[in-house]
Amino acid sequence: AQRVTQPEKLLSVFKGAPVELKCNYSYSGSPELFWYVQYSRQRLQLLLRHISRESIKGFTADLNKGETSFHLKKPFAQEEDSAMYYCALSGYSSASKIIFGSGTRLSIRP
Amino acid sequence: EPEVTQTPSHQVTQMGQEVILRCVPISNHLYFYWYRQILGQKVEFLVSFYNNEISEKSEIFDDQFSVERPDGSNFTLKIRSTKLEDSAMYFCASITGKGEKLFFGSGTQLSVL
Repeated sequence: AQRVTQPEKLLSVFKGAPVELKCNYSYSGSPELFWYVQYSRQRLQLLLRHISRESIKGFTADLNKGETSFHLKKPFAQEEDSAMYYCALSGYSSASKIIFGSGTRLSIRP
Repeated sequence: EPEVTQTPSHQVTQMGQEVILRCVPISNHLYFYWYRQILGQKVEFLVSFYNNEISEKSEIFDDQFSVERPDGSNFTLKIRSTKLEDSAMYFCASITGKGEKLFFGSGTQLSVL
């Protein structure tokens, strides 16, 4: 079964502290993994995807196939990082549907 | 950056009424999607559309739902007879092709009374 699990509904950290948003997945095959972000009153937007191996706004995420995880990390949180974060996956074989996790609300305290 | 446009931003309807949610995907995109998000719940896939036909749909997308691309630019989601549980934020999305970045619209908040 295809599934994305984000165990934390809410994560609250102080500004400047490290952040790690957890994501685990279940997929029979090789999925493509993404992180999407939704800032207050804005649309869902792509933050990063694992095939790009890029760092966006200081965030990185490494795909760990052994642990089937794709945790999102940032060494020093900023107040503007407060948002809803969704981990998601899709199959490589086609432009197939993207399956979202339930999301984690990240709150950065000043 | 190009945007996916959705109208209206809010729609209120009576139970049993038909609603049509409208989307204008980005012009060179080929794959189109509808997702929904019930308040406090996850973003759920409804349907994908390619080459003027449905390519995949979820269990949520039953006979009450239909999609259309009537004129080559608009992409609509119709709910034939709305139920209270259809109340949600409905997102349209589009991509150029496989593995590309998915662009989302800002959503239509549907409230069924």
